[in-house]
Amino acid sequence: EIVLTQSPGTLSLSPGERATLSCRASQSVSSSYVAWYQQKRGQAPRLLIYGASSRATGVPDRFSGSESGTDFTLTISRLEPEDFAVYYCQQYGNSPYTFGQGTKLEIK
Amino acid sequence: QVQLQESGPGLVKPSETLSLTCGVSGASISSSNWWAWVRQSPGKGLEWIGEIDHSGITNYNPSLKSRVTMSVDKSKNQFSLNLSSVTAADTAVYYCARELYSRGQAFGMDVWGQGTTLTVSS
Repeated sequence: EIVLTQSPGTLSLSPGERATLSCRASQSVSSSYVAWYQQKRGQAPRLLIYGASSRATGVPDRFSGSESGTDFTLTISRLEPEDFAVYYCQQYGNSPYTFGQGTKLEIK
Repeated sequence: QVQLQESGPGLVKPSETLSLTCGVSGASISSSNWWAWVRQSPGKGLEWIGEIDHSGITNYNPSLKSRVTMSVDKSKNQFSLNLSSVTAADTAVYYCARELYSRGQAFGMDVWGQGTTLTVSS
């Protein structure tokens, strides 16, 4: 099973700042099948990024994803108030599909 | 617009079997996509339980495989999850989701239900 380790656990930033969230896989992920999800309190997760770097339908272009080997990054270029939430990475290239433990993005 | 809606008992006694159903609207369950169950324990992260395609082919998380059964009902455009011998550790919010596939490529879980809370307690 591939273990995904997200860092930091909590990120405190202000609106307008740039956010960089990391996700490290314990081994190579098949076909770069890594997704990022945003979850707000009391809501289901929302798909932001698939295939490590492709934005899902309707996702603002301030969200971007990248990869370098087994390291995956979600970047939010300029934080909006509605971006403060918990973010999860997921790999869906190797069964069982697994999630990271999440990064909480909070207002500073 | 594709929508998923979970339904279930809310409360199950220890050692019993949990049964949840996910109704699909706005899309056919007989498409090329897979259909998944994910759970989230209180204050914890997300756990993928497994997936099923329209023909009934399944893929379960080994951590739950001995207790999980998934099925598809094409006539009702829905899919279901059974989890046997439940304990307090199975208390969680259970989500159903669509795993989007097209032309042999996977695109993540693009549509989610709103989730249903399951509590295991006597």
